[in-house]
Amino acid sequence: QSALTQPRSVSGSPGESVTISCTGTSSDVGGFEYVSWYQHHPGKVPKVLIYDVHKWPSGVSNRFSGSKSGNTASLTISGLQPEDDAYYYCCSYAGTYRVVFGGGTKLTVL
Amino acid sequence: EVQLVESGGGLVKPGGSLRLSCAASGFTFSSYSMNWVRQAPGKGLEWVSSISSSSSYIYYADSVKGRFTISRDNAKNSLYLQMNSLRAEDTAVYYCARESGDYVEGWFDPWGQGTLVTVSS
Repeated sequence: QSALTQPRSVSGSPGESVTISCTGTSSDVGGFEYVSWYQHHPGKVPKVLIYDVHKWPSGVSNRFSGSKSGNTASLTISGLQPEDDAYYYCCSYAGTYRVVFGGGTKLTVL
Repeated sequence: EVQLVESGGGLVKPGGSLRLSCAASGFTFSSYSMNWVRQAPGKGLEWVSSISSSSSYIYYADSVKGRFTISRDNAKNSLYLQMNSLRAEDTAVYYCARESGDYVEGWFDPWGQGTLVTVSS
């Protein structure tokens, strides 16, 4: 059960767009249409941004979008805002009631 | 309001045991799979365990298999995590999280506020 691979950090200026990648294997990201993304501000509770690769939960801004190609999923954040400064985690179903998270990416809004 | 509230965290010595609880409210607890997810200090999120609505399906991360036991009491709207043979590397904030249905796909919403477990002598 290896963690999915995410870049440790990304950065962007307000108004710009950034993309965070999440690489797994055919046993997790590549094998199922069950990738989710979470935003986590330290000291707060993780918040789901995307589920089922590209779907938005109620109340989540469409500035956040998800996609997948092969074993790599991606989260794109457009129109960066200061409050987007946080940690982002991808998560994938890995078969037989198991789930695996990515190592997390720190987004810095410059 | 859909809510999850964890309790039971604390300081425990290596080799010791601890039982975490998660009280659910605002939804039909018996209809959802539930999970425990943890975050060690300075580290990322790690899925720990999942349990289906009727407790028929239970799974663990390799890192806790054989030491942790997940369970639930649908009559009490409660989820539990019995942690035995605790190690320093089990030190983390433990979150309970609801799945989107009676299955596991990794769509966790909501999450509890977390309870801190510290394993240290």
